[in-house]
Amino acid sequence: DTAVSQTPKYLVTQMGNDKSIKCEQNLGHDTMYWYKQDSKKFLKIMFSYNNKELIINETVPNRFSPKSPDKAHLNLHINSLELGDSAVYFCASTRTGGYNSPLHFGNGTRLTVT
Amino acid sequence: ELKVEQNPLFLSMQEGKNYTIYCNYSTTSDRLYWYRQDPGKSLESLFVLLSNGAVKQEGRLMASLDTKARLSTLHITAAVHDLSATYFCAVDVTGTASKLTFGTGTRLQVTL
Repeated sequence: DTAVSQTPKYLVTQMGNDKSIKCEQNLGHDTMYWYKQDSKKFLKIMFSYNNKELIINETVPNRFSPKSPDKAHLNLHINSLELGDSAVYFCASTRTGGYNSPLHFGNGTRLTVT
Repeated sequence: ELKVEQNPLFLSMQEGKNYTIYCNYSTTSDRLYWYRQDPGKSLESLFVLLSNGAVKQEGRLMASLDTKARLSTLHITAAVHDLSATYFCAVDVTGTASKLTFGTGTRLQVTL
């Protein structure tokens, strides 16, 4: 199946821990994103990579570090997790200049920090 | 900074009724997207509106874009329970779809 897949689906961890979320797309897209959805369902862009190059870096604590080994993969590593990091993190992808093509989203990773 | 606001934030409606969700944005753009999100699920693309006056319809949903008014509407005709979900509009001001700013979302509940 062609899709954006992210793992894990659920992540429960304690404050201070370090965790990673992985994302892969097989749609042939060259731009990938991380979005954060908070408890009020508000969606905010965090990062965007185009062909492994960081192009968008919103005001995100530097505890969050994205890594894109190739254009089909975009991972998110979070250091020293805090309670406020609890949210659903969505990976998404699109084709550059493909304004006629919407973002394709993964199924989300629900992160709970206790 | 681009602001994208939707109203209402919550909408409870009976089956068979019609209603409209509004999406206002603060910066000139001629590219607007509508998404649907079911509880605990991903976001599903509904409509892509790329020019002033664009209108698209799919089943009981119809979306339109007025770039001069910086307004998009999502009209629901004869609502059915299956339409219950949260609906988001998203605006692209970059021209390359490289950065979408999402609206606040409208949670629609269709009651039997």
